[in-house]
Amino acid sequence: AQSVAQPEDQVNVAEGNPLTVKCTYSVSGNPYLFWYVQYPNRGLQFLLKYITGDNLVKGSYGFEAEFNKSQTSFHLKKPSALVSDSALYFCAVSRPSGTYKYIFGTGTRLKVLA
Amino acid sequence: GAVVSQHPSRVICKSGTSVKIECRSLDFQATTMFWYRQFPKQSLMLMATSNEGSKATYEQGVEKDKFLINHASLTLSTLTVTSAHPEDSSFYICSATDLTYNEQFFGPGTRLTVL
Repeated sequence: AQSVAQPEDQVNVAEGNPLTVKCTYSVSGNPYLFWYVQYPNRGLQFLLKYITGDNLVKGSYGFEAEFNKSQTSFHLKKPSALVSDSALYFCAVSRPSGTYKYIFGTGTRLKVLA
Repeated sequence: GAVVSQHPSRVICKSGTSVKIECRSLDFQATTMFWYRQFPKQSLMLMATSNEGSKATYEQGVEKDKFLINHASLTLSTLTVTSAHPEDSSFYICSATDLTYNEQFFGPGTRLTVL
């Protein structure tokens, strides 16, 4: 079965420290990979995506993610966390089959402590 | 990126009434729209996929007679929750795409509360 795992329900990090939110996937073929952020009572905001090319993807608000094909991972990173980064983060994977249907991870709540 | 809107952003209704939620692609033509439901502190659950001009494809376990989806134009899809009950209270999110994009664009969501 195809799946996306976000192994940590919550990640706590001190402001100014680097942060990592983990995502691994089990999807056949060459999937497209996405990260979204959600603030309370809001829809999903796009952060970044990997389609092809350079394994290190840079996105919005200083976030980046590294695609690792051998480990089937796509971890989200930021060098220096801000309190305003506190939110719910979702990893999503789609197969380029034409419908772009997503498989979502369960989400990771990031809490940045001042 | 492309913009998707939802209306209303928040709705409160009485049990037994029907509620319609609109999803619009504002600056592109969406051949495909998706409807999701999100419970508190949980991930998004795909309810159905709708393609313009054809019947929606519902995910397993989603009642198609309760959650009516219409995608009558390339910029508008609607979700109607029929005979709503308190257990239908949730956050509903739509997304849209077409084959020229390789991603979905998400609306801001609609909070439905059924009293």
